[in-house]
Amino acid sequence: KQEVTQIPAALSVPEGENLVLNCSFTDSAIYNLQWFRQDPGKGLTSLLLIQSSQREQTSGRLNASLDKSSGRSTLYIAASQPGDSATYLCAVSHREGGSQGNLIFGKGTKLSVKP
Amino acid sequence: EAGVVQSPRYKIIEKKQPVAFWCNPISGHNTLYWYRQNLGQGPELLIRYENEEAVDDSQLPKDRFSAERLKGVDSTLKIQPAELGDSAVYLCASSLTIHGTEAFFGQGTRLTVV
Repeated sequence: KQEVTQIPAALSVPEGENLVLNCSFTDSAIYNLQWFRQDPGKGLTSLLLIQSSQREQTSGRLNASLDKSSGRSTLYIAASQPGDSATYLCAVSHREGGSQGNLIFGKGTKLSVKP
Repeated sequence: EAGVVQSPRYKIIEKKQPVAFWCNPISGHNTLYWYRQNLGQGPELLIRYENEEAVDDSQLPKDRFSAERLKGVDSTLKIQPAELGDSAVYLCASSLTIHGTEAFFGQGTRLTVV
């Protein structure tokens, strides 16, 4: 059974710092890995999608890496801003078995960037 | 282009009452998901549709939950009767296919059962 773990559960940093959020998964049979942002009381906003054959994706100040063989992904946020404060979720699209195609989520990392 | 649209945004009901949530996915998206998210947790899958077929409903509590996706487009998730433990955010998402395409989420429906 695919399990996704995110560390740390919460993170507080001063504005301007670079930071890394971690995501690990137990089964490497995935189509892709997706990072989402969730603001309080809102739905999920897709940030980056990494296909299983890719190693990284970049969008602005965000960079996500994927090491499928070790079951790990990182989300790097450069020069953090107070507006980056949110919960960040990673999800893998499972490739095999009865749950093929299902998005399986971690519990998220709650990020707070202090001015 | 409009994203995934869900309604209502908020719903407060008494226990044992029925409730329904509606989702309109992105046009052309074949895959539709319903998730439930409890406070401080990640979303958990309830049901996944490929067009009009429910291909994975293994996590749907079938004694009180039901879902349908008419003509492979809009979808409705129903709870009858609701219990206190059903209070959560219900999220709908869609993607073009299951094979490596990006999933997009709606704003969710926050259900409170009192």
